[in-house]
Amino acid sequence: DTGVSQNPRHKITKRGQNVTFRCDPISEHNRLYWYRQTLGQGPEFLTYFQNEAQLEKSRLLSDRFSAERPKGSFSTLEIQRTEQGDSAMYLCASSLLATSANTDTQYFGPGTRLTVL
Amino acid sequence: AQSVAQPEDQVNVAEGNPLTVKCTYSVSGNPYLFWYVQYPNRGLQFLLKYITGDNLVKGSYGFEAEFNKSQTSFHLKKPSALVSDSALYFCAARAANNAGNMLTFGGGTRLMVKP
Repeated sequence: DTGVSQNPRHKITKRGQNVTFRCDPISEHNRLYWYRQTLGQGPEFLTYFQNEAQLEKSRLLSDRFSAERPKGSFSTLEIQRTEQGDSAMYLCASSLLATSANTDTQYFGPGTRLTVL
Repeated sequence: AQSVAQPEDQVNVAEGNPLTVKCTYSVSGNPYLFWYVQYPNRGLQFLLKYITGDNLVKGSYGFEAEFNKSQTSFHLKKPSALVSDSALYFCAARAANNAGNMLTFGGGTRLMVKP
């Protein structure tokens, strides 16, 4: 178990630029989640995938945010036309849905810290 | 709608003393409840969860949590605090019938353990 990895760990960009973050989940995990954490707050759910299907995306903050998981393994989160308010930590988590009991535990990566200048 | 409250921004405790970090929740139906810890520049680490059964749940690093349905609480406890326990602690909840497994987090409580 190598854990959830995220790249890059830090990203500084200028307002208006596009950014993309990558998440590699724990290898056998079939669910993958994205959260945003702003300073002094708890993580806020954005979206999640089960295998390659994006099953919930209504919590994405605006149409500038999009996520993909094309082969059911790694995922990318893209923010287009970044704004200063997008500055935050973006966290990825993964879990294994193994039974119908739906009690899987989410394991988090170290996050990508985005700073928009 | 789900919500989680952590009423204390910071908890201070002396090393060796017991600690409690408070959490209350609001979910529709039966809750699944979680505690995570976050160290500086690191992601959230899972500590423990309540799904069903025994109200006292034991987790990693000597932590435990007590589920109280009538008070809708899930307080985190440890009998003897260590300086290395100093970190940011998050309580999270979701409804058992939430197929999407979307977690709602509290705002976090900073635990400071002093030698």
